Amino acid sequence: AQTVTQSQPEMSVQEAETVTLSCTYDTSENNYYLFWYKQPPSRQMILVIRQEAYKQQNATENRFSVNFQKAAKSFSLKISDSQLGDTAMYFCAFMKHPGTYKYIFGTGTRLKVLA
Amino acid sequence: DSGVTQTPKHLITATGQRVTLRCSPRSGDLSVYWYQQSLDQGLQFLIHYYNGEERAKGNILERFSAQQFPDLHSELNLSSLELGDSALYFCASSVEVNNSPLHFGNGTRLTVT
Repeated sequence: AQTVTQSQPEMSVQEAETVTLSCTYDTSENNYYLFWYKQPPSRQMILVIRQEAYKQQNATENRFSVNFQKAAKSFSLKISDSQLGDTAMYFCAFMKHPGTYKYIFGTGTRLKVLA
Repeated sequence: DSGVTQTPKHLITATGQRVTLRCSPRSGDLSVYWYQQSLDQGLQFLIHYYNGEERAKGNILERFSAQQFPDLHSELNLSSLELGDSALYFCASSVEVNNSPLHFGNGTRLTVT
């Protein structure tokens, strides 16, 4: 069975600084997808970034980028130029492909951006 | 706006009661997923429907059931409610191709008193 681990329950960062959130996963699959979702205080789940396991190039979306290390089964999220609006819970998620498209979520990291 | 609609937004009910949560997926999405998020915890997968058929089950209690109708909307039925069932229930939909992400509704907050 797949598992996703986020070992940092809480983190804080100063506005405009850079922060990295960690995520590791365990799977015997070779093909899969990884995602980061953001959950602000409004509780909505918002997709931040996605990564295909077969792609070696790390995904980037504006200020958000990932460091995907397939051999180490690590998928960290880097937020550059942190903004107050980045304050949220961040969830890492794993999806096997092909498969039932069931997402496995980590327990989340609560990020607070300080003014 | 994700395009996924969940109703109601809030629900307060007593132990032992039964409630129905409703979800309308994004236009064109055939898959509907239900997740439970208890206070300050991660999302627990409950069940997945694709085009009306159950595709996968997670840690869904026997007191809970779901279905997806021909118009693709889905309902999650929770019965014999207990205090521990208080949680945020999310519905998500997706197109099952390649790396299509889940698109989440805003959730239904259930409070059992």
